[in-house]
Amino acid sequence: DGGITQSPKYLFRKEGQNVTLSCEQNLNHDAMYWYRQDPGQGLRLIYYSQIVNDFQKGDIAEGYSVSREKKESFPLTVTSAQKNPTAFYLCASIQSQGRGNTIYFGEGSWLTVV
Amino acid sequence: SQQGEEDPQALSIQEGENATMNCSYKTSINNLQWYRQNSGRGLVHLILIRSNEREKHSGRLRVTLDTSKKSSSLLITASRAADTASYFCATGPIGSSNTGKLIFGQGTTLQVKP
Repeated sequence: DGGITQSPKYLFRKEGQNVTLSCEQNLNHDAMYWYRQDPGQGLRLIYYSQIVNDFQKGDIAEGYSVSREKKESFPLTVTSAQKNPTAFYLCASIQSQGRGNTIYFGEGSWLTVV
Repeated sequence: SQQGEEDPQALSIQEGENATMNCSYKTSINNLQWYRQNSGRGLVHLILIRSNEREKHSGRLRVTLDTSKKSSSLLITASRAADTASYFCATGPIGSSNTGKLIFGQGTTLQVKP
């Protein structure tokens, strides 16, 4: 079945460590997104990529980095510069930009700093 | 930045009753979408309404859009315990059509009691 796969589901990070969250999609979608969700809150955009080898900062990009070497993959690295990384991270994709295209989400990854 | 404001933040009803959630936004939009999120899971797209539409139905869901008031409502009729979830509105601002970016509200948490 087509979909978006995020891994791991749960991740613990020690202070000062970088960690990478994986996001893979087999929907042949062009654009991919990373959102952060804090408890009881909405989603905030971290980074997005409209095409391979290109990506743009979202509203809260500081302390995060991404790459888009393949169409199917959009990994997110949470760096040590992100001072409050504990959150739920959601990856999403869309077939093509344009009016009325809906976003498909992965199941999310929980990151906790220990 | 968040431009969607959902109201109420939390709603508790009995099974069989109708549930109404409201969303207000600030800027002009191409479309408005509603998503559902079960606890700890990804978001699932429910319905999209374009800026030139006023009402849309999908099963037990009814969405209205009033662009003059910059507001939308989601009505779930004959609610079921399985409708218990958080519901988010997301807007596609004008100018975002070439990026697919959406701006999410804070969400309404709906509890349907059996």
